[in-house]
Amino acid sequence: DTAVSQTPKYLVTQMGNDKSIKCEQNLGHDTMYWYKQDSKKFLKIMFSYNNKELIINETVPNRFSPKSPDKAHLNLHINSLELGDSAVYFCASSRLTTGTGNTIYFGEGSWLTVV
Amino acid sequence: GQQLNQSPQSMFIQEGEDVSMNCTSSSIFNTWLWYKQDPGEGPVLLIALYKAGELTSNGRLTAQFGITRKDSFLNISASIPSDVGIYFCAGRMYSGGGADGLTFGKGTHLIIQP
Repeated sequence: DTAVSQTPKYLVTQMGNDKSIKCEQNLGHDTMYWYKQDSKKFLKIMFSYNNKELIINETVPNRFSPKSPDKAHLNLHINSLELGDSAVYFCASSRLTTGTGNTIYFGEGSWLTVV
Repeated sequence: GQQLNQSPQSMFIQEGEDVSMNCTSSSIFNTWLWYKQDPGEGPVLLIALYKAGELTSNGRLTAQFGITRKDSFLNISASIPSDVGIYFCAGRMYSGGGADGLTFGKGTHLIIQP
């Protein structure tokens, strides 16, 4: 079973559309994240949720709205898609602890192309 | 936001050679992680380091958490073709409250020539 799974893996859509990416983790973690990887492969955190509550919201346009219905799921909804939103979006999860075991595991990515 | 300095940016090596890459930061972390990303896939955890000075191996991979908590290195011995990919260092500083998440280096592209 995939530990962190996200769907869809590939998404091609037109400018102005609204789309969602879903993420689920079966690791029993209490914290989930969305990361964005740009064309130069740089990975940057967008959002972090702990026990369904938002704890990090980096400088991201408010067209991006994460939603966490429970600890195992964190979805990303994007309104009014723009060309610059084309990127790979990674979901990740971890346990929020200061000690050993606070590693972060990533999903396989969702390749978003806006045309 | 904070960034890690990861070097080298890319490496072209012959199969069988040893590889070394490192990351430095201007601030401390309490966890260093090394990931590998293959084309079309997500980052996969290679090694996790939790204590300053810790030296950890995973097969042909060895990584160390710097004593100052501001740096880490990853070595790969006797490289093989499947080692090709992008290697990322990442630092995590979680102290029990507030912000969490990883800060990533910009990656080291490893290319192996047969």
